[in-house]
Amino acid sequence: NAGVMQNPRHLVRRRGQEARLRCSPMKGHSHVYWYRQLPEEGLKFMVYLQKENIIDESGMPKERFSAEFPKEGPSILRIQQVVRGDSAAYFCASSQNSGAGTYEQYFGPGTRLTVT
Amino acid sequence: QQQVKQSPQSLIVQKGGISIINCAYENTAFDYFPWYQQFPGKGPALLIAIRPDVSEKKEGRFTISFNKSAKQFSLHIMDSQPGDSATYFCAARKRPEYGNKLVFGAGTILRVKS
Repeated sequence: NAGVMQNPRHLVRRRGQEARLRCSPMKGHSHVYWYRQLPEEGLKFMVYLQKENIIDESGMPKERFSAEFPKEGPSILRIQQVVRGDSAAYFCASSQNSGAGTYEQYFGPGTRLTVT
Repeated sequence: QQQVKQSPQSLIVQKGGISIINCAYENTAFDYFPWYQQFPGKGPALLIAIRPDVSEKKEGRFTISFNKSAKQFSLHIMDSQPGDSATYFCAARKRPEYGNKLVFGAGTILRVKS
């Protein structure tokens, strides 16, 4: 039973380019969360999605960042016109559902984005 | 606004000793409190978790103690081993009506000396 998959594991982009990060949740999981970890810091929530729906994007920067979780395929976190401050590790987590009694979020290995 | 505060920032423990990491949270919109272990270059791995209606949970060498009235919870690692050396994060999950997101502490870097 494969865990949460993320790719690429490492991504290097020049300033102004676009970054696309992909996440496939665990089998049977329909809820996806994206978190960002800056160097030497804890993880910060960015966005919570279900299939074809953004449930909570309160942690997403207002500009340049977007996320989707289509009916088919992985969830995508997209960063347009990257800047050096976007350099971080981006983690995806998935859970089975969101109701009371089902709490666990399992994390993928992350994508380490470096902006040069 | 830091809703989950974690201490200490770093911790050095002798092999066989007890490692203790503390967290405190600031509001009552949380319904689940997990601890994650992270090794360098890896994603956080769920270690152990507790719900607020329980005061203690033990799994092997790992124990969570939870004090609802004080809004505090802690992780105890008994018989600490060098392989436990990692960064540990406490977290609190917002209730479903507040979005399910995990709010993390800043992390504790644990080093177990052999």
